[in-house]
Amino acid sequence: GAVVSQHPSRVICKSGTSVKIECRSLDFQATTMFWYRQFPKQSLMLMATSNEGSKATYEQGVEKDKFLINHASLTLSTLTVTSAHPEDSSFYICSARPQDRVNEQFFGPGTRLTVL
Amino acid sequence: QKEVEQDPGPLSVPEGAIVSLNCTYSNSAFQYFMWYRQYSRKGPELLMYTYSSGNKEDGRFTAQVDKSSKYISLFIRDSQPSDSATYLCAMRGRSGGSNYKLTFGKGTLLTVNP
Repeated sequence: GAVVSQHPSRVICKSGTSVKIECRSLDFQATTMFWYRQFPKQSLMLMATSNEGSKATYEQGVEKDKFLINHASLTLSTLTVTSAHPEDSSFYICSARPQDRVNEQFFGPGTRLTVL
Repeated sequence: QKEVEQDPGPLSVPEGAIVSLNCTYSNSAFQYFMWYRQYSRKGPELLMYTYSSGNKEDGRFTAQVDKSSKYISLFIRDSQPSDSATYLCAMRGRSGGSNYKLTFGKGTLLTVNP
C-alpha cells in the first residue's frame, strides 16, 4: 500500500511552453500533497503544500503564477509549469500524506523536466 | 547554519559492513525524524520514522534519535550492494498546519561494494 504515481516520468519541451505534471495516490486518500524540486546532487526543496479543495501554500521564493498547483480530489494533484524556461529544468517530485497515517509522507517516482 | 546538516559523502563500504549514517539539526521543535532511501533518478522511499528520542529497529535497519544532542543516526547491518543509494534524513515539528512540512538533509551517497 501507499503508492504514489507521477505522470509523465520525463518530459522535454521547448522554452515558452507549459507542462503539466500529475501526482496520484493510488491506494489511499491524501489530504495533503507536497511538491518538491531537486537539482542534481542536492536535497529536496519544498515548493508548495496543497490541501484538497483549497489554494496551495507556496514556499518563499516560489512564484505561484509560474508553478500552478491544483488539488481537485483526494487522490490527484497537478503542477503546471507555465512558460517554462531552461532554468526550470529539474527533477520534480510529489509526495502525499495519507488521511489515516498523518505522520508519514510517500513520494512519487519523480518527473524529469528538460526545457530546451 | 542550516537547519539540517548531513555529510554528503560519498561513503563506500564492503559488502557485509555495518554502515552508520548521521544528521544533526538545530531546530529544537523537530519531533518526528525520518530516513528515506533514494535510488538514482527515482523518488525517495520511506525507510523508517521515529517520534522523539529513542531507538527503532526494522530488520537490518536501526534508527536512533538523541534529541539532547540534536543528532540522529541510521545503522545498516550486513550491508548489501542493493543498499547502494542516497540516504536522506528528514524531520518536522509537531503535527498540524505547516508542521507537516519536512526539512531534508542533503543526503549521503552510499556505495556497497561486492
